[in-house]
Amino acid sequence: SQTIHQWPATLVQPVGSPLSLECTVEGTSNPNLYWYRQAAGRGLQLLFYSVGIGQISSEVPQNLSASRPQDRQFILSSKKLLLSDSGFYLCAWSDLASNQPQHFGDGTRLSIL
Amino acid sequence: QKEVEQNSGPLSVPEGAIASLNCTYSDRGSQSFFWYRQYSGKSPELIMSIYSNGDKEDGRFTAQLNKASQYVSLLIRDSQPSDSATYLCAVNGAAGNKLTFGGGTRVLVKP
Repeated sequence: SQTIHQWPATLVQPVGSPLSLECTVEGTSNPNLYWYRQAAGRGLQLLFYSVGIGQISSEVPQNLSASRPQDRQFILSSKKLLLSDSGFYLCAWSDLASNQPQHFGDGTRLSIL
Repeated sequence: QKEVEQNSGPLSVPEGAIASLNCTYSDRGSQSFFWYRQYSGKSPELIMSIYSNGDKEDGRFTAQLNKASQYVSLLIRDSQPSDSATYLCAVNGAAGNKLTFGGGTRVLVKP
């Protein structure tokens, strides 16, 4: 069966520091991969999605970036964090075929001080 | 702007009753529809998928889809306190690879 791993579970970072969050998927090949952010009490905001290695689509302008160096690895990065980057970051995957549901990792709760 | 709308709640339901959640969407070309359950502080968990008009039942959950009215609903029968969570409606548009999520409906099941 397929599993998705996301780490770390919680992270506290100072303003202006760099960020790297990693997500890996097991048990499937060529998945679609997604990064979402959820602010406290709010809905899910799609940040990036990828349909293949090196293929990244950005949904909103921001100081975050994403990379997909391997088929089942998705990384979210920032060179300098802002206070507004605080939130619950979720990685998700779906089968490459269209109209499939997405399956979420456990998330990373990021607090910026 | 493709939108998915849900009543934010909270929807308060007595234990053992039916909880009825509604969701409307704006993209008439939408092909697939999903309900996720999200407990406080946790990630969303897929509970139902529906692709064609009508009802789909899975245990205590029933999803209902009406594409003509652009409306999808979720019924939770015999509601239990463990069903207390936020329920997210998600719609896959014509492009097929991205979901648009509603803001979620918070459900409270009272013993």
